[in-house]
Amino acid sequence: ETGVTQTPRHLVMGMTNKKSLKCEQHLGHNAMYWYKQSAKKPLELMFVYNFKEQTENNSVPSRFSPECPNSSHLFLHLHTLQPEDSALYLCASSHPKTLDRGSEQYFGPGTRLTVT
Amino acid sequence: DQQVKQNSPSLSVQEGRISILNCDYTNSMFDYFLWYKKYPAEGPTFLISISSIKDKNEDGRFTVFLNKSAKHLSLHIVPSQPGDSAVYFCAASALGNEKLTFGTGTRLTIIP
Repeated sequence: ETGVTQTPRHLVMGMTNKKSLKCEQHLGHNAMYWYKQSAKKPLELMFVYNFKEQTENNSVPSRFSPECPNSSHLFLHLHTLQPEDSALYLCASSHPKTLDRGSEQYFGPGTRLTVT
Repeated sequence: DQQVKQNSPSLSVQEGRISILNCDYTNSMFDYFLWYKKYPAEGPTFLISISSIKDKNEDGRFTVFLNKSAKHLSLHIVPSQPGDSAVYFCAASALGNEKLTFGTGTRLTIIP
């Protein structure tokens, strides 16, 4: 496996369910990200992890709970979601950006989530 | 308040001609700019980037131009090929910060 992988690719869940999205990167990066893409909206950053530590929570509701056990794996735990949470959830990874070096983020294929 | 704007939701270009995609930003703290390409049912793919210390970066058929005074960047694709048909996003980040702010995207269609 190369690059950034995400499972599952598609998920349908009820509002009372609990599910988890998984992301794995094989690029040797130390920063990982969760993004949400809703229809006709820009990609919205949800969470950032640097060296397994959460460095950004972009005012995300607590029904989304991230977990980063190591630099290669990132999870997004979902519980009691709402229909408006239906979206494409994208994971990305990168080297950490420094003051003298930019950093490109590499994305996985995404999980298409539908909340019924 | 959208800090990165792509004002053209769509663009059609004849195969072999030049495609020019535009992006404007408002945050003067942005110092690194990127273009991504996205096919349906796939994640965005990194194309090319530019640091604010440069005004041009070229990679094969792709060239990104940055005009800091106008807070404007553009992506030139020449010659355009049918496989270039996709949605293109510009993104920006601020000094020492990994957070990327994305535009809403421009759908490019290359006409054979």
